[in-house]
Amino acid sequence: KQEVTQIPAALSVPEGENLVLNCSFTDSAIYNLQWFRQDPGKGLTSLLLIQSSQREQTSGRLNASLDKSSGRSTLYIAASQPGDSATYLCAPSPYNTNAGKSTFGDGTTLTVKP
Amino acid sequence: ETGVTQTPRHLVMGMTNKKSLKCEQHLGHNAMYWYKQSAKKPLELMFVYSLEERVENNSVPSRFSPECPNSSHLFLHLHTLQPEDSALYLCASSHEMRITGELFFGEGSRLTVL
Repeated sequence: KQEVTQIPAALSVPEGENLVLNCSFTDSAIYNLQWFRQDPGKGLTSLLLIQSSQREQTSGRLNASLDKSSGRSTLYIAASQPGDSATYLCAPSPYNTNAGKSTFGDGTTLTVKP
Repeated sequence: ETGVTQTPRHLVMGMTNKKSLKCEQHLGHNAMYWYKQSAKKPLELMFVYSLEERVENNSVPSRFSPECPNSSHLFLHLHTLQPEDSALYLCASSHEMRITGELFFGEGSRLTVL
């Protein structure tokens, strides 16, 4: 059974700082890994999707990397802004099954202070 | 219209009530999912539908009854719920079910059972 751990559970940084969120998973046989953002009481917004054959994906100030063999992914946020404050979740997906079988971590709650 | 729309956003019901949650996706996807998100717990997959056919039921109590009349709409009928069923219910969709792909979520329906 896939287990996903996200460290740290919470992070508070001043505006403008670069930061890294970590995601580790126990079963490296994944098809892809998706990073989401969730604002309080809201749904999940997809940020980046990395296929298992890729090493990284970039979208604006966000960069996600994937090291499948070691069971790790990181989300790098450059020049953080107060609007980045949210909970960030990672979700690796297994092969040959449906997308709903993704296993979600508990998330890292980020607070960016002005 | 945004990709995945859920209504109502907030619902309060008594244990003897019958209510329904609605999800509509405007992405042309063939797979739809219901998730439950409780406080301090990771997302739990409840049901998976592909082309209107239910393909998965993750041991969900019968007081939750899903319905998928077409590939764009998904309902979750609720009856005789318990206070512990209070949670954020999230609907998601993906292009295909069998090919693990990107998940797109709605804003969620916050359910409170009194």
